[in-house]
Amino acid sequence: SQQGEEDPQALSIQEGENATMNCSYKTSINNLQWYRQNSGRGLVHLILIRSNEREKHSGRLRVTLDTSKKSSSLLITASRAADTASYFCATDAGEGNNRLAFGKGNQVVVIP
Amino acid sequence: DAGVIQSPRHEVTEMGQEVTLRCKPISGHNSLFWYRQTMMRGLELLIYFNNNVPIDDSGMPEDRFSAKMPNASFSTLKIQPSEPRDSAVYFCASSLPGLAGEVQYFGAGTRLSVL
Repeated sequence: SQQGEEDPQALSIQEGENATMNCSYKTSINNLQWYRQNSGRGLVHLILIRSNEREKHSGRLRVTLDTSKKSSSLLITASRAADTASYFCATDAGEGNNRLAFGKGNQVVVIP
Repeated sequence: DAGVIQSPRHEVTEMGQEVTLRCKPISGHNSLFWYRQTMMRGLELLIYFNNNVPIDDSGMPEDRFSAKMPNASFSTLKIQPSEPRDSAVYFCASSLPGLAGEVQYFGAGTRLSVL
């Protein structure tokens, strides 16, 4: 079942601005991941944060995880037109297997 | 490594025809996943395999859908007979084995149109 739910669903920003997306989930997790999907392409893994971590950085990406609120946020700093894509969060659902539950996705449009 | 390879990239067929989608996972990845993506339903997990064995096929819509993984380097998803509502993008993904949701690597997808 889908567990991750991103918020907001769609975001339009100017190049150079920051973009923030949120994701909530329902059950205990071992890790939470963020993926990007460019139009017409497959999903690409961006970053993974484990349940015992609170914040993680990768280049212009910053991910936070609050397990008490069962939520995560993805921040893209100094956005570029190439960041235009859909962003998905995914959790392992703590089921002890290898499947991921993906959210519905968050469309981000960066205007040059 | 070339990544996850799916074929064909596009498939247009008529209702009632059999459709076979193919996937070659990344070498060394023991888990393989088939997803379907539509605007209405988002990304849905259809079935996944561990070590070539189907673990969970609860997402397979109905008996018209079947998936096989005869060896570690090849999997197929078959729809017989196909219907217009099967039109979607089908993704295959693979990952290293694990118990806690390992990173998945997606293919480019097969865009299926059933007329």
